[in-house]
Amino acid sequence: GESVGLHLPTLSVQEGDNSIINCAYSNSASDYFIWYKQESGKGPQFIIDIRSNMDKRQGQRVTVLLNKTVKHLSLQIAATQPGDSAVYFCAETSNAGGTSYGKLTFGQGTILTVHP
Amino acid sequence: NAGVTQTPKFRVLKTGQSMTLLCAQDMNHEYMYWYRQDPGMGLRLIHYSVGEGTTAKGEVPDGYNVSRLKKQNFLLGLESAAPSQTSVYFCASRAVTILVTEAFFGQGTRLTVV
Repeated sequence: GESVGLHLPTLSVQEGDNSIINCAYSNSASDYFIWYKQESGKGPQFIIDIRSNMDKRQGQRVTVLLNKTVKHLSLQIAATQPGDSAVYFCAETSNAGGTSYGKLTFGQGTILTVHP
Repeated sequence: NAGVTQTPKFRVLKTGQSMTLLCAQDMNHEYMYWYRQDPGMGLRLIHYSVGEGTTAKGEVPDGYNVSRLKKQNFLLGLESAAPSQTSVYFCASRAVTILVTEAFFGQGTRLTVV
């Protein structure tokens, strides 16, 4: 079935460095992608999203890049802070119809640890 | 505006018991989802609903049933709980607009089956 894949890597960075978290997806019909941050004991929280008609989108200190050719997206966090330490998930969905209409699936996550 | 509320927050069940987890959202969202999250794993989709009266299977539906009788509520049922269903369960809802939108999550239900 369709899946969004992360292999639960960990990423350790120093405060002030830039962080890059990667995600590979397998459903070529996906047309909307979301990055979530999950802190310990809490539900996932929205960070940034991107639609399939875009290659790049920027938010506050975060940038998401989408490469549809290789089905890959990444989350870049600028000037990483200790408060950014969390698990980061990508998610994908397709609103184009078909049997998976509205389905929202997640990757396994990346653990980001920021050292002061 | 409470967003997405899950009830209960914690529960311990004995093997074979049944229970229902309630998810309520006050944002008038069309789509609702149930996920489970095990240690070291991502969120795996159990069931979802694209509107009142409709449900669909996700990645791991076995052992669970759902109902969406009212737009604001999405119920997840365990008919005969098993230790393998020990997990943290998250509910989410999402709006349907011309522009696709992100999902909003509840705070989770920690279920232990002994």
